[in-house]
Amino acid sequence: NAGVMQNPRHLVRRRGQEARLRCSPMKGHSHVYWYRQLPEEGLKFMVYLQKENIIDESGMPKERFSAEFPKEGPSILRIQQVVRGDSAAYFCASSQIQGSYGYTFGSGTRLTVV
Amino acid sequence: DQQVKQNSPSLSVQEGRISILNCDYTNSMFDYFLWYKKYPAEGPTFLISISSIKDKNEDGRFTVFLNKSAKHLSLHIVPSQPGDSAVYFCAASARNNNDMRFGAGTRLTVKP
Repeated sequence: NAGVMQNPRHLVRRRGQEARLRCSPMKGHSHVYWYRQLPEEGLKFMVYLQKENIIDESGMPKERFSAEFPKEGPSILRIQQVVRGDSAAYFCASSQIQGSYGYTFGSGTRLTVV
Repeated sequence: DQQVKQNSPSLSVQEGRISILNCDYTNSMFDYFLWYKKYPAEGPTFLISISSIKDKNEDGRFTVFLNKSAKHLSLHIVPSQPGDSAVYFCAASARNNNDMRFGAGTRLTVKP
C-alpha cells in the first residue's frame, strides 16, 4: 500500500515559467491537503480538496496559484509565472475522512526558481 | 498569524537524557494537537497526538502533555536516542476545521 506519492521530488523553473506539482493520495483517501514550507518556517496550509471540489483555499495566494483534484488522476498544484519567492518545499497530505486527524504526508516537492 | 508557536528553533541533548520540546497556541478553539517528526528530504510523519479532553498521552518513549489553561503543550522523549534527531513540528486543529496549523519546528539533535 503505497503512501502519498508526490512528483517530481525536485523541480527547477526559471522566473515566469509554470510549475506543476502532482500528488497521488493514499489508496482509499479522498481528501487532499497542500502545504508549503518556506525556508526556516513551519508548514503553511494552502488548500483542501476532495474529488473534483475545492473545499477550502483560504491559504492559497489569490493570483498565479491554482489546485485541482480531478475524478481520475492525481491532485495538481499549479503555479503560473513563478517568482523567486515561490521557492519552497510543497507537501501534500491525504486523509480518509474530513478533518485534521490522520493525515499522511508525501515526501514533498522542492521547487527552486532561478 | 502565528497561532501555533515553537519558540525554540533548536535543542541539543545527550543520548539517554530527556528531550523536552515546547509549543504554545493562541486559538482557544483548537481541540486536537499533534506532533510530527521530519527528517531531511522527507515528509512529516505523525508521532503522537492528544485530544483536549486529556492532559497527557503516552506512547513508549514519547509523552505529550497538554495544559489548556496555559495554552501550552510539550513533547517529552525519554530516553533520547541519536535516531530521534530530526525537526519536530507541533500542530493544532479545531473541530470541523479543514486544516491544521503548524509551528515553525524545533530541530532536535541527540548527541551520542
